Amino acid sequence: DQQVKQNSPSLSVQEGRISILNCDYTNSMFDYFLWYKKYPAEGPTFLISISSIKDKNEDGRFTVFLNKSAKHLSLHIVPSQPGDSAVYFCAASLGNNNDMRFGAGTRLTVKP
Amino acid sequence: DAGVIQSPRHEVTEMGQEVTLRCKPISGHDYLFWYRQTMMRGLELLIYFNNNVPIDDSGMPEDRFSAKMPNASFSTLKIQPSEPRDSAVYFCASSPGPFQETQYFGPGTRLLVL
Repeated sequence: DQQVKQNSPSLSVQEGRISILNCDYTNSMFDYFLWYKKYPAEGPTFLISISSIKDKNEDGRFTVFLNKSAKHLSLHIVPSQPGDSAVYFCAASLGNNNDMRFGAGTRLTVKP
Repeated sequence: DAGVIQSPRHEVTEMGQEVTLRCKPISGHDYLFWYRQTMMRGLELLIYFNNNVPIDDSGMPEDRFSAKMPNASFSTLKIQPSEPRDSAVYFCASSPGPFQETQYFGPGTRLLVL
């Protein structure tokens, strides 16, 4: 049972434009959400997180939005850069602890 | 620090064989995690340890899978007997504390069971 879903397996955007990666979850008890970035032949690395008490968290070019009523979160990258090309995983958990549920990932390609 | 080290990086084996994946966490990290990545299910937490003690193994798919952490610098994930559906990338991660943001992942072991 996939509790966290990333319905777009891939996304392609032009350099300088906005990238929007989406994630849906089914368990309304989830209250902590994260995005990880993964380059080929490397493990995932933490990118940004958000608690359910917020609806937005920003870190430089990366912003995560949370819509609790829709059980939906999104990651915005503005402006997109070729170095952002990677697979992005969203994850959700009950509290800020280690038991995360991950989505299947979205492969982002930023074209120069 | 070299980061989390996993070996082998690639493993090809035949169905029914025993497979052992190895992980060396970052020194000083008290938590160690094993994940499996597949196309269909994404990243799944299999088991994690705190101070070498297994805390939650509810993600281990079945009895064919076992994990050990004999000391703070080494862990193994064993599959016996292996099956083609076990083909996946297996990641090990370590963390100095119980928070997701501080998990550092290794490069993964790509396993193919024929």
